[in-house]
This record gives sequence, C-alpha cells and structure tokens, in this order.
Amino acid sequence: QAQLVQSGAEVKKPGASVNISCKASGYTFTSYGISWVRQAPGQGLEWMGWISAHNGNTKYEEKVQDRVTMTTDTSESTAYMELRSLRPDDTAMYYCARDKYSTGLYQIWGPGTLVIVSS
Amino acid sequence: QSALTQPASVSGSPGQSITISCTGTNNDVGSYNLLSWYQQHPGQAPKLIISEVSRRPSGVSNRFSGSKSGNTASLTISGLQAEDEADYYCCSYLGGSAVMFGGGTKVTVL
Repeated sequence: QAQLVQSGAEVKKPGASVNISCKASGYTFTSYGISWVRQAPGQGLEWMGWISAHNGNTKYEEKVQDRVTMTTDTSESTAYMELRSLRPDDTAMYYCARDKYSTGLYQIWGPGTLVIVSS
Repeated sequence: QSALTQPASVSGSPGQSITISCTGTNNDVGSYNLLSWYQQHPGQAPKLIISEVSRRPSGVSNRFSGSKSGNTASLTISGLQAEDEADYYCCSYLGGSAVMFGGGTKVTVL
C-alpha cells in the first residue's frame, strides 16, 4: 500500500538550515505531488507548500517562501524540504502528504519529523 | 491570509450528533468545492475523513458527513463515540495551487 516515510528528528540552532526527506513507496511517485504541512506544539496545521513530482513545479506559502525550497529525486521517489534561517518558532512537527494537484486532498501522510530549534 | 474559522471546541454525549463549522470567504470556501476535513488523534498524523465537501473515503465511518452553504462548510458526526474524541481540521483550496487549514476544533465526548 502507498506510504510515506520521513527522516528522523532534528535539533538545530537558530540561523541554521534543516533538510527533511520523505520517501514514497507503493505508488507511482511521479503521478502525484507532495505537500508539506507543519504543526507547532499544541497548535494547528499550517500548509507550507507543494511540489509536483511530475515536473518539479512548486508553490510556497507566502510566510516561508523566502526560506523554503522543496525538491524531489524521482530516481529515489523521495521529496525534500529545506528550511533555512531557522528560528525558535519553526519548532514543529513537519509532515509530508501526498497531494496530486495541490488541492488539499491528502490521502496519505508521513509520520512526521520533529524539528526543534533552540540555542 | 488568516486561517479558516473553526470553533475551538465542541462537545457532546455518546450517541449525540455534533456539527463543526468552517467559515471562510468568497475567495476560498465559497469559491471551490475542494474542501476537506481531517481527524487527528494525539501524537498521530492527520487522517482524511471527508474530501470535496461531502465525499467520504473508503473505510471512513458513515457517521461522518460534510456539507457546505455559501462560505461555510460543516462536518457532522452522528452517533458520537468515544473514539471520535480528537482534533478536527478543515482545509480549503484557495486557487493558484495554494491551500489553507482551519484553526482546528477539539471534540470532547462527555
């Protein structure tokens, strides 16, 4: 069955960068896109952006667009999300989710990657 | 753009029905039928329970139903059960490949 597996937890200092991976299996990777959604501790879900695994097109949420880059490696069926210039309020669980056309239809979710930003 | 508006909490007794609202604007909820609902239990990833306003994915209980009127979408849980206690989020397409979540609603089964 289709599933997404994410890389492990990260602890970073303010100003650093983090790169999270999301490996897909059980479906044709290039037939879908991957969205990234984060959730700060005790807070709600926040959409960060989407990348098409078909052609690499991206759409980023305005608040993070200057600090985020989403990429894919189709040979590895893996999506990546790099977030730069980390701040303490970037501390959150980061989820990847399968989304064909960036419409918010997330049938498959990764387990999440906890990123802690602390000095 | 602010998050879609959901009540912070809704509660009900077992067997009752509850409804969670998700209010947006003419530019999001009111313009598209691309409105999904997610259930999230503590420590778990969200789970899709309603897509495209009212479509229920395979395997989701028929106690969950969705609807929309104007700029407000609603999720109804009928025959409330203890296992329904969770956080619920609406999610709307905004156009231009952008998406927005609601602030979330905590459902408590009394």
